[in-house]
Amino acid sequence: DIQMTQSPSSLSASVGDRVTITCRASQGIASYLNWYQQKPGKAPKLLIYAASTLQSGVPSRFSGSGSGTDFSLTISSLQPEDFATYYCQQSHSIPPEYTFGQGTKLEIK
Amino acid sequence: QLQLQESGPGLVKPSETLSLTCTLSGGSISSGSDYWGWIRQPPGKGLEWVGFIYYSGNTYYNPSLKSRVTISVDTSKDQFSLKLRSVTAADTALYYCARHPIGLVKPAFDPWGQGTLVTVSS
Repeated sequence: DIQMTQSPSSLSASVGDRVTITCRASQGIASYLNWYQQKPGKAPKLLIYAASTLQSGVPSRFSGSGSGTDFSLTISSLQPEDFATYYCQQSHSIPPEYTFGQGTKLEIK
Repeated sequence: QLQLQESGPGLVKPSETLSLTCTLSGGSISSGSDYWGWIRQPPGKGLEWVGFIYYSGNTYYNPSLKSRVTISVDTSKDQFSLKLRSVTAADTALYYCARHPIGLVKPAFDPWGQGTLVTVSS
C-alpha cells in the first residue's frame, strides 16, 4: 500500500504569514493527490484535487503543487479562518486503497 | 446538490457489530461514475479510509480492516451501509461517508456527510 507522510505535524504561524505543508508518497502517484481542510467538529473540506486544481469556492491564497512523490500545499497569506488541520490523500492506488497523510495542525502563533 | 447523511447507533458493545447507513439526497448512487466510501477518525486522531463500494456491489476494503468489514449497497433507497464486526475500543471514532468519483474528473472525496460518532463501550 502507498504511505503518505506529511510534514510538519504541527505548525505555528501568524496572520499574514506564508506557509507551506509538504506531503510525500512512498511511491509515485503522478498527480493523484488531494488536500483537505478540517476544522474542529466539522467534516473535512476538499481544497485542492489533482495536486494543483483549486476546488470551486476555495480562496486563491491556497495553492498546490507537485507530482510523483513530493507535493506541497501553500497558503500565501494566512487568514484567521485558515487555522485548522490539513490532510493530504492519494487517489492513485489500484485497487482503490486510498490513504491519507497523518495531518498537519496549523495553529496561531 | 448531492448530500450524504450517516445514521446508526452511537453506542456499540465490545465484540458486537457496528452498523451504519449512509443515505444520499440530491443524487443517485447508481450514477456509475463514483465510489461510495467510509472514512473514520478516532477522537483527536487522523483520517483512515475504511472502504468503498461501487453501485454494482464491487467492494474495496482497507487491508487492516478487511477481515471485519462489509460494505453493502441498496440502490433502490440510494443508501450504502457499513458493518464492522467484533469491535473494540479502538474502533471508537467519527465515521464519515463520502463520494469519490472514479477516473480523472475530480478524483477526491467530495462531498462528505457530517459524520456520526460511534463509541464502543460496555
